[in-house]
Amino acid sequence: QKEVEQNSGPLSVPEGAIASLNCTYSDRVSQSFFWYRQYSGKSPELIMSIYSNGDKEDGRFTAQLNKASQYVSLLIRDSQPSDSATYLCAVSRAGKSTFGDGTTLTVKP
Amino acid sequence: KAGVTQTPRYLIKTRGQQVTLSCSPISGHRSVSWYQQTPGQGLQFLFEYFSETQRNKGNFPGRFSGRQFSNSRSEMNVSTLELGDSALYLCASRAGTAGEYGYTFGSGTRLTVV
Repeated sequence: QKEVEQNSGPLSVPEGAIASLNCTYSDRVSQSFFWYRQYSGKSPELIMSIYSNGDKEDGRFTAQLNKASQYVSLLIRDSQPSDSATYLCAVSRAGKSTFGDGTTLTVKP
Repeated sequence: KAGVTQTPRYLIKTRGQQVTLSCSPISGHRSVSWYQQTPGQGLQFLFEYFSETQRNKGNFPGRFSGRQFSNSRSEMNVSTLELGDSALYLCASRAGTAGEYGYTFGSGTRLTVV
């Protein structure tokens, strides 16, 4: 079992819809959780971080964390074609981040 | 504020050679981590340096090594290159080593071993 698992994707949503990206992790003592966005041919870019159970909102992005279920998700509201990218979930423990394989999102106009 | 700078951007090396990659972190960031990214394995952690000391190391063979200088710049070295070492090597810096700090990545060095 991988330490961090994400929806295999690809995920396709119409413009304006909500995109839901999911991630589960195996290490119960993981402390911090991050979402990175990676455009094709570019390096990952940090878009959200979350440390405690519940929701954290930043603009059109909402990160959700449930430590009991070892689950973290990213919701993108009003999806735009510019959101088309691979989204990487990262889980941190003792300062070291482990990344999932990513979910590729395509937003169709 | 300048971002994370990696040099060179592209490298082509022959099997058996060695290579050195360089990374300059964001000014004020003392933590530098290195990751290997391949289509099949995703992002794999190589090591992290803070204040010239290696703090964490991933599951890579000893052919992969690194160091950090007093100005926080870091280098990664791969000796006796193998075809499987072909990958995008990403350097990332952050303000501290505590778990709540996320990474800022450089543009990467694309290494091709032939």
